[in-house]
Amino acid sequence: SQKIEQNSEALNIQEGKTATLTCNYTNYSPAYLQWYRQDPGRGPVFLLLIRENEKEKRKERLKVTFDTTLKQSLFHITASQPADSATYLCAPAGGYQKVTFGIGTKLQVIP
Amino acid sequence: GAVVSQHPSWVICKSGTSVKIECRSLDFQATTMFWYRQFPKQSLMLMATSNEGSKATYEQGVEKDKFLINHASLTLSTLTVTSAHPEDSSFYICSATAGPGQNYGYTFGSGTRLTVV
Repeated sequence: SQKIEQNSEALNIQEGKTATLTCNYTNYSPAYLQWYRQDPGRGPVFLLLIRENEKEKRKERLKVTFDTTLKQSLFHITASQPADSATYLCAPAGGYQKVTFGIGTKLQVIP
Repeated sequence: GAVVSQHPSWVICKSGTSVKIECRSLDFQATTMFWYRQFPKQSLMLMATSNEGSKATYEQGVEKDKFLINHASLTLSTLTVTSAHPEDSSFYICSATAGPGQNYGYTFGSGTRLTVV
C-alpha cells in the first residue's frame, strides 16, 4: 500500500536557521508532490507544488526538491521565523487522484 | 485565489442525531471534492472522494451509510454524519479542486470540529 514518511514528528530549530523537512514515499509514482502548512485547529494551507519533471521549486523563503529516483522530497525554509512554527504536510499525488497525506512534521522555531 | 468555505466551524450534537457539514467553493467550480477526518495528533485521513453528479467513492473502512456525501452542484458538497456517536467526534475537513491537481492544486476548508455528547 502507499506509504508516506516524514522525517520526524517534531523539529526544533533556532530562529534564522534553515529548516529542512523530509518526505519519503513508497509504492507509487506521483506525477507531482505538494507541501502544505497546517496550524492547530485549522485546515491545511497549500504552499508549493512540484512536478515530477522539476528538480527544484522556490517561493520566497521556501524551496522544495523532488527526487523521483529516491522517492523523496525535501522542503527547506530559509531564515526561519517563529511565525513559521506549524505542522508541515507533504502530499504526493497525480492528476485527479486522491491526495494522501503524511502525518506531518511539527516545526518549532525558537526565538 | 481559490477559496473553500466550510460550515459550521464547530458543532455539538447529541448522540443519535445527524449533522450536516457544508463545503462550498466560492470562486471556482469544483469538479472533485474530498472529505477528510483528523483525530488529535494524527494525519488527515481521506474518507471519500466526491464527484459532481455521481456517487461518492468511499475509502476502505468508511461506512457509506453513516457518512452520506452529496455533491449536487459544482460549488457544493455536503457530508452528513448520521446517527452520530461519541466516537464520531473529530475534525472534519473538505478540500476541492477545479481540475487536475498539478494545474490547480487543492484548496482546503477551515474544518469542522464535531463533538458528539
